[in-house]
Parts: sequence; structure tokens; C-alpha cells
Amino acid sequence: AQSVSQHNHHVILSEAASLELGCNYSYGGTVNLFWYVQYPGQHLQLLLKYFSGDPLVKGIKGFEAEFIKSKFSFNLRKPSVQWSDTAEYFCAVNLGGNTPLVFGKGTRLSVIA
Amino acid sequence: DTGVSQDPRHKITKRGQNVTFRCDPISEHNRLYWYRQTLGQGPEFLTYFQNEAQLEKSRLLSDRFSAERPKGSFSTLEIQRTEQGDSAMYLCASSLSSEGLFQETQYFGPGTRLLVL
Repeated sequence: AQSVSQHNHHVILSEAASLELGCNYSYGGTVNLFWYVQYPGQHLQLLLKYFSGDPLVKGIKGFEAEFIKSKFSFNLRKPSVQWSDTAEYFCAVNLGGNTPLVFGKGTRLSVIA
Repeated sequence: DTGVSQDPRHKITKRGQNVTFRCDPISEHNRLYWYRQTLGQGPEFLTYFQNEAQLEKSRLLSDRFSAERPKGSFSTLEIQRTEQGDSAMYLCASSLSSEGLFQETQYFGPGTRLLVL
């Protein structure tokens, strides 16, 4: 069965620090990859997605992620975080077609001034 | 607002009672998913529909859980004889799936938070 691992449970950064959140998945075939964000009191929102093509994808709010097939990874990055990036971040994977999303456990990001 | 909506947003019930949650997807979306999220975990898939057909239901947590999407639009998730372990956030998502196109994006609603006393 597919699984998704997010290495960091809680990350605390100061404003303007760089961010990298790790995500690894277990499936060896063709996958679709997603990062969702959940701001406090809000619902899950799509941050970015990868289906095919350029492995470096850009999302909203200055976030980007790189798909490295050989490492089964899809890490999320942002060069300079803001206080408003405080949220929970979920990596998710599916096989496309008829399969549902498999989520990681999430990483809580706290950005302090 | 044309996003996914869910009703109610919060539900408190006593153990043994039945509860029903509703999800209204984005209007042109043909797929509708239900997930459950407990504290400290990511969403966990329960079931999904393509139009009115329920394509996967083996992940429903027990036979107390059932879902319907009778006209291919809104969906309901029912939990019978609720237990304290059913306390969680129940999320609905919808997507537009095209034949032969294995790329779809799921958009989530705000969820229904269930507390079973």
C-alpha cells in the first residue's frame, strides 16, 4: 500500500528564514503529488501540484516543490517565510485515475517574529 | 462562494445516536470524496463517487458508515450508532475527472467536526 512520510512534525522558524519540508512516498509507479496547506481555522487548500513535466513546480504564495523520482521525494520549499505562513502542511500522493489521495501526517509550521 | 460546502460544521451527539452529514461539491465536479481526519493525522480516505456511482467503499471504517450520492450532486455520509471513537473531522472533496486523463485535483470543503459524548 502507498504511504507518505513527512519527516518533521513541528517546525519553528523566524520570519525571513528559509523553509524546506520533507515528503517521501512509497509507491514506485507514476504518481501525482500535492501539497495542501491548512491555515488556522480554515479548510485544506491546494498549495501546489505535480502531474508531469518540469520536476520543479511553483505554487501560490512563493512556495515551490521539487520532485526527485530517484529519491521518491517531493520536498516543499520557500526562500523566506512570513508570519502568515504559520499553518499545517500536508503532502499527498495518488496514482491518478481512480485512486484517492494518501496523505502524510502533516507538518506544523510556526513562524515567529 | 462556489467552493465545496459541508453542513453542519459542528455536530455534538451522544453515543448510540445516528448522525448524517451533507456535502455539496463544486457544481461541475463529477467526483466526490469523503475523508476522515483525527488529531495529529492527515486525512484518511473513506469512500468516493463518480456521479452517482460509489466506486470504492471498502475503506469505510465499519458497516455503521454509509454514504450516498443519489442524483450525482450532493452527498450524505451517515454514521449509525455512533461511538466515541468516531469523533473526528469529516472532510469532503470534489474533483473533475475526464475519461483517460489521470490528472485530477481535489478541492476540499471546511469539514464537519463530530464530537461523540
